[in-house]
Amino acid sequence: AQTVTQSQPEMSVQEAETVTLSCTYDTSESDYYLFWYKQPPSRQMILVIRQEAYKQQNATENRFSVNFQKAAKSFSLKISDSQLGDAAMYFCAYRRLYNNNDMRFGAGTRLTVKP
Amino acid sequence: DAGVIQSPRHEVTEMGQEVTLRCKPISGHNSLFWYRQTMMRGLELLIYFNNNVPIDDSGMPEDRFSAKMPNASFSTLKIQPSEPRDSAVYFCASSPTTVTDTQYFGPGTRLTVL
Repeated sequence: AQTVTQSQPEMSVQEAETVTLSCTYDTSESDYYLFWYKQPPSRQMILVIRQEAYKQQNATENRFSVNFQKAAKSFSLKISDSQLGDAAMYFCAYRRLYNNNDMRFGAGTRLTVKP
Repeated sequence: DAGVIQSPRHEVTEMGQEVTLRCKPISGHNSLFWYRQTMMRGLELLIYFNNNVPIDDSGMPEDRFSAKMPNASFSTLKIQPSEPRDSAVYFCASSPTTVTDTQYFGPGTRLTVL
């Protein structure tokens, strides 16, 4: 079974600084998708970034980037120039390539941004 | 474009009552998912529809839970009778296809069963 582990229940960062959230996963598949979702206090689950395992290039979306290490089964999220609005729960998720109904989520990391 | 719409946003009910949660997926999306989020178990997939047909309901916790999708723009998740342990946030998500596309989540319904 595929599992997703987020080892940092809570993280804190100073506004304008950079923070990295960790995620590891376990799978025997070679092709799959990885996601980071953000859940602010409003509870809305917002897609932050997505990575296809067959792509070697790390995905980037503005201030958000990932460090995808396929051999190590690691998928960390880097947030640069942190803003107060980045404060939220962040969930790492894994999905097999052809199984949209088999998304596995980590337990989440609560990010606090200090002004 | 409107995202996934869920109603109500909050629901408080008493044990034994019937609860109906509603979802309108993003127009043009073929797949719809119902998730439950609790502190203890995190996010769990309850049921998945493709083209209005239930494909996988293995996550539905018990017979008290049922879900329908009568058309491409509407789905319901019903709990009858409700129990305090059903208290959770229920999310609906949709995606354009079954294979490669990202799931887009609604704002969730916070259910409290007293």
